[in-house]
Amino acid sequence: SQQGEEDPQALSIQEGENATMNCSYKTSINNLQWYRQNSGRGLVHLILIRSNEREKHSGRLRVTLDTSKKSSSLLITASRAADTASYFCATVSWGAGGTSYGKLTFGQGTILTVHP
Amino acid sequence: DGGITQSPKYLFRKEGQNVTLSCEQNLNHDAMYWYRQDPGQGLRLIYYSQIVNDFQKGDIAEGYSVSREKKESFPLTVTSAQKNPTAFYLCASSRLQGNQPQHFGDGTRLSIL
Repeated sequence: SQQGEEDPQALSIQEGENATMNCSYKTSINNLQWYRQNSGRGLVHLILIRSNEREKHSGRLRVTLDTSKKSSSLLITASRAADTASYFCATVSWGAGGTSYGKLTFGQGTILTVHP
Repeated sequence: DGGITQSPKYLFRKEGQNVTLSCEQNLNHDAMYWYRQDPGQGLRLIYYSQIVNDFQKGDIAEGYSVSREKKESFPLTVTSAQKNPTAFYLCASSRLQGNQPQHFGDGTRLSIL
């Protein structure tokens, strides 16, 4: 089953603009991760935010997490043509006995196109 | 360089045939995973393994089988019981703790002849 729902499904912007992608999920999580996938390739991990964190930065990436709304957003600032890819959020839920393990549940992704 | 290697990159299956997709990692990760990706969709978990000689079914295990005889290797067999096998298959690995990212191979695209 798909835990995360991403919005928008597709986003087209000009180079230099900011891109914002949103992710909503249904159940309590241990952490939420964002991945990038270039066409025909595997996924690359971008950033992980834990359930007790509200915001995290990595280079041009900014991720926020609102556990009360069960939602997260990924902001890419000053986008480049090379940022063109699909972006997926994935959640890790708590396992039995309050433990966590690495089972990711993915959303359907946002296709980002950055025009030069 | 450490990483995950999937082979082959493209694979064709005839009706009634079993095919095996290879996944090897040299990252010394305990956990390994197989995902299926259909066009325009996210990834769905087929099987995962947290330790050698042990594995668990994911969300869509029917028609698939795996083995984990070595830490480095986690091959996936798509059996003839899988009626709609055409998809992009991705293998991943990670450390055991749930707050660790997964590292992905570059996938195998399986098609039906």
